[in-house]
Amino acid sequence: DTAVSQTPKYLVTQMGNDKSIKCEQNLGHDTMYWYKQDSKKFLKIMFSYNNKELIINETVPNRFSPKSPDKAHLNLHINSLELGDSAVYFCASSAQQGLSYEQYFGPGTRLTVT
Amino acid sequence: DQQVKQNSPSLSVQEGRISILNCDYTNSMFDYFLWYKKYPAEGPTFLISISSIKDKNEDGRFTVFLNKSAKHLSLHIVPSQPGDSAVYFCAASADGNQFYFGTGTSLTVIP
Repeated sequence: DTAVSQTPKYLVTQMGNDKSIKCEQNLGHDTMYWYKQDSKKFLKIMFSYNNKELIINETVPNRFSPKSPDKAHLNLHINSLELGDSAVYFCASSAQQGLSYEQYFGPGTRLTVT
Repeated sequence: DQQVKQNSPSLSVQEGRISILNCDYTNSMFDYFLWYKKYPAEGPTFLISISSIKDKNEDGRFTVFLNKSAKHLSLHIVPSQPGDSAVYFCAASADGNQFYFGTGTSLTVIP
């Protein structure tokens, strides 16, 4: 019974295309995140989102946009894909209650832009 | 600008011995620190955390130490087991929401 799931696991596409990655969590958490892990293994936050607030990392290009149809889902849309977007993208969620700040991660989506 | 650094990309330890993984940070506002473990082709999984009001937190074989004056934290695993072989990430946050991750240390426990 997967807590945080992402689809697809692998995504290969050409430059200029628009693609989406889906994320779902069944933990009842209020906050969801998207992270990018680049070729140097640096795991960097892109967005954090709850039903009240979207926090965007200012370094994220506006070609990237999170869409949340409901509390359990946070999808990532990417327009006009570029070679530099190739990376592993992780979705995560957290409850943020009390001193519990741990995040639960999905398995990742490896995006390859050719 | 990398606010959290793990300067050792890899570490090898004999089974049964202690593994010590280190992490340094630059932002003095960080109050929450977490360690994650990651196996290949999987997402990171939470291991242990510490807040700035403590200098040590222990959970079974895992202990995290925090030295705020040095802006340094470490994860001790004792005794190390082959199943501990994975990449370990430290993460830090000032608000408990946005966490900054290090680049990870790949631990290999040799049977």
